[in-house]
Amino acid sequence: DAKTTQPPSMDCAEGRAANLPCNHSTISGNEYVYWYRQIHSQGPQYIIHGLKNNETNEMASLIITEDRKSSTLILPHATLRDTAVYYCIVRVLYSNTGNQFYFGTGTSLTVIP
Amino acid sequence: DTEVTQTPKHLVMGMTNKKSLKCEQHMGHRAMYWYKQKAKKPPELMFVYSYEKLSINESVPSRFSPECPNSSLLNLHLHALQPEDSALYLCASSAMRGSYEQYFGPGTRLTVT
Repeated sequence: DAKTTQPPSMDCAEGRAANLPCNHSTISGNEYVYWYRQIHSQGPQYIIHGLKNNETNEMASLIITEDRKSSTLILPHATLRDTAVYYCIVRVLYSNTGNQFYFGTGTSLTVIP
Repeated sequence: DTEVTQTPKHLVMGMTNKKSLKCEQHMGHRAMYWYKQKAKKPPELMFVYSYEKLSINESVPSRFSPECPNSSLLNLHLHALQPEDSALYLCASSAMRGSYEQYFGPGTRLTVT
């Protein structure tokens, strides 16, 4: 049972900002949103995560709506190497048993020269 | 060292074979995970180990048998697999506190003939 929904594919011009949306309307108050990307059958790579505040790191920014029902991952200046499948994930934390990632279906981002 | 290693990279096995997948991390993480990923699909959680104990089994068939011999190693023993078990098998690890970010290995590409 999917906790997130994402558009299946998007294009972005090289050098422009890529904005990847995600809906997580059933997210609970203590569940975090994570973003990972996967380049052609390699292992998924961590990008960023957040709970309710906007977050920024060297790779991307994460904007979470005030009601927490959706978020947007922003890659500020997309390059060809950013072509990948981007997964929006809700993390459920179980005390003493680790945490469980619920992967969305992913958005295949193609950066166009 | 933020690397998760997996061996072998590729594995071809018959339906009557017994084989094992191996995963190793040296980040001091006390949670380790096995995922299965079919082509063009998101990773699906199979097992979670927390403090070397199996904490989550997502109703995986018994022909998959996980083992966590110590806090750095995770094995997946395979026996009597079916062709539909062909997939990319990903291992991940995470801390049991802090950001809980999961670090993924590159995966083992398994083909069952």
